Amino acid sequence: SSELTQDPAVSVALGQTVRITCQGDSLRSYYASWYQQKPGQAPVLVIYGKNNRPSGIPDRFSGSSSGNTASLTITGAQAEDEADYYCNSRDSSGNLVVFGGGTKLTVL
Amino acid sequence: QLQLQESGPGLVKPSETLSLTCTVSGGSISSSSYYWGWIRQPPGKGLEWIGSIYYSGSTYYNPSLKSRVTISVDTSKNQFSLKLSSVTAADTAVYYCARWAAVAGTSWFDPWGQGTLVTVSS
Repeated sequence: SSELTQDPAVSVALGQTVRITCQGDSLRSYYASWYQQKPGQAPVLVIYGKNNRPSGIPDRFSGSSSGNTASLTITGAQAEDEADYYCNSRDSSGNLVVFGGGTKLTVL
Repeated sequence: QLQLQESGPGLVKPSETLSLTCTVSGGSISSSSYYWGWIRQPPGKGLEWIGSIYYSGSTYYNPSLKSRVTISVDTSKNQFSLKLSSVTAADTAVYYCARWAAVAGTSWFDPWGQGTLVTVSS
C-alpha cells in the first residue's frame, strides 16, 4: 500500500500534551518523518528516523512508532505549535515517497 | 548552510509544459549521501511528492505523474530541474524542491526551498 492516513484535525489545550498519528502499511518497514507547516511557509522537518530532532527543533517534539502507526507527540504544546503537520515515508517498495494528508493542530 | 531556491514561470497555459529549476547553494548537489526532490501543494490541500533524483541521474517518480514528469540534474550548475507536460488547472500548486535523505529504514526531506506558485491558466 502507498497511503498514509492522518486525522484531519486535532486540538490541544495550551501546555497540554497532544499526539498526532499516521497510519500506513509502509510504516511497518520504514520510520516516518514529520513536518510542521505554518500558513504561507514551506514545511519544516521536526522529526526523522526513530526519534531524531533536527537542530533548532524544541525537545517537546518527539516521535514513536508501533506496528503500522507512527506518532508525533508534542509535550506541553505552545501557541506557536499551531500548524499543519504532515507525515512522510517511503512506500513498501522503498523507491517511492508518500505523504499523509496532514493534520491541522489547533492550540486552545 | 544548505539553501535551495526554486525558479521558473509563475503562469503556464493549459496543455503546455511547466518548467522549474532548483538551485542549490551552500553545498554540493553531487553529495553521495543525498537525493533531491520535488514536492507540490495545491492551494488549500496537502503535500504531493512528484519525484526525486540522484546526482548520477537516477530518478524515481510518483506513478500518478510519471507519464508527464521529467526530472534532470546539472551538476556543473548545482541545479536540478522539473518538467511537467500537458498541464491542466489541476497542476496549479506551490512547487517545492528539497534535499532527500534516504537511508536504511527511513527517509526525510530537509531543507526545503521557499516554494514557488505556478498557476495554470489561459
